[in-house]
Amino acid sequence: QKEVEQNSGPLSVPEGAIASLNCTYSDRGSQSFFWYRQYSGKSPELIMSIYSNGDKEDGRFTAQLNKASQYVSLLIRDSQPSDSATYLCAVSTGTASKLTFGTGTRLQVTL
Amino acid sequence: NAGVMQNPRHLVRRRGQEARLRCSPMKGHSHVYWYRQLPEEGLKFMVYLQKENIIDESGMPKERFSAEFPKEGPSILRIQQVVRGDSAAYFCASSESTDTQYFGPGTRLTVL
Repeated sequence: QKEVEQNSGPLSVPEGAIASLNCTYSDRGSQSFFWYRQYSGKSPELIMSIYSNGDKEDGRFTAQLNKASQYVSLLIRDSQPSDSATYLCAVSTGTASKLTFGTGTRLQVTL
Repeated sequence: NAGVMQNPRHLVRRRGQEARLRCSPMKGHSHVYWYRQLPEEGLKFMVYLQKENIIDESGMPKERFSAEFPKEGPSILRIQQVVRGDSAAYFCASSESTDTQYFGPGTRLTVL
């Protein structure tokens, strides 16, 4: 079983729709959860971090965490073509510790 | 505030040569992490360093790879006697006391 699992996609959504990206993790000791966006040939860019169960909203992005189900998701509202990228889920066991990444979900926002 | 800096951005080496990758963390950040991304694969942790100390090297290959973060100057990831399988993007990330890591632009290593 992979430590952090994501559907590789591609996930295709029309412009203006909601994109829903999902991630599950195996280590119940995980405390910190992150979503990074990576454009092809570029470095990962932090989008959201979440530490507590529930929802966290930042602009068009909402991260959702359910520690009991070991599940974290990212919703992107009003999807734009510029959102087309690979979205990486990452978890860590706490402050100053390594990130364990999923393999990423490729999102395509179509016109 | 300058972000994480890495150089060179692209590095070409022949098999058997040495590769040196450099990373300067964001100002005020004392934690440095190195990750490797093989083609069509996810990011894999390699090593975590603070000034003059290796904290976690559980992801480092046992041979040919080493890392340092001296008191003065950038962190360096060194790969000796490179092989074709070392071709990858190497990313450095830094953080301060929190666990939020910010990534540099990466060094893309090609081994001929």
